[in-house]
Amino acid sequence: QVQLVQSGAEVKKPGASVKVSCKVSGYTLTELSMHWVRQAPGKGLEWMGGFDPEDGETIYAQKFQGRVTMTEDTSTDTAYMELSSLRSEDTAVYYCATDRGGAAHDYWGQGTLVTVSS
Amino acid sequence: DIQMTQSPSSLSASVGDRVTITCQASQDISNYLNWYQQKPGKAPKLLIYDASNLETGVPSRFSGSGSGTDFTFTISSLQPEDIATYYCQQYDNLPVTFGPGTKVDIK
Repeated sequence: QVQLVQSGAEVKKPGASVKVSCKVSGYTLTELSMHWVRQAPGKGLEWMGGFDPEDGETIYAQKFQGRVTMTEDTSTDTAYMELSSLRSEDTAVYYCATDRGGAAHDYWGQGTLVTVSS
Repeated sequence: DIQMTQSPSSLSASVGDRVTITCQASQDISNYLNWYQQKPGKAPKLLIYDASNLETGVPSRFSGSGSGTDFTFTISSLQPEDIATYYCQQYDNLPVTFGPGTKVDIK
């Protein structure tokens, strides 16, 4: 059984960066394809990007290109999502989720609330 | 980007009722569609993948159908624990996009 445990809530000022972690247990990170999805307060789900095992690259939604970086530390089975140049509209719960193919996100972290406020 | 719409945006039904949610894609996505359930304060849960396949462990009262641009999600007999928001998600084209959600509650 895969378990994903994310880092705690963050409060950031506009213009700052945030790095959210997602620790994997039950499997190794190399066996999984990790994606990130966010949800603004009271709003719907928004896919940010993730690892594409077919070509071995990380793909990002164009909306976040240049501002987001998704990385993995296979020595600790931890995935990271860093979002820079934060603005108030980035206030959201950020989820990591495994993708077993066909965007079927079958395991999810508990979510990390990132609040951007001056 | 492919736009996903859902209707209704919310509904109220009685326990035991049959509940149907529709999801429409802005272009043909074949059967590249998943359905998720999200309860308040919780992460989404995958219920249906590839439009009509029930995820392991999900009760059989949940089902999905459709292909192309029009899809349907059904709860055959609504239970109190089904109170949640339901989202469709397409993965035919990047970026993966979700519908706006349908909030289901008990009348």
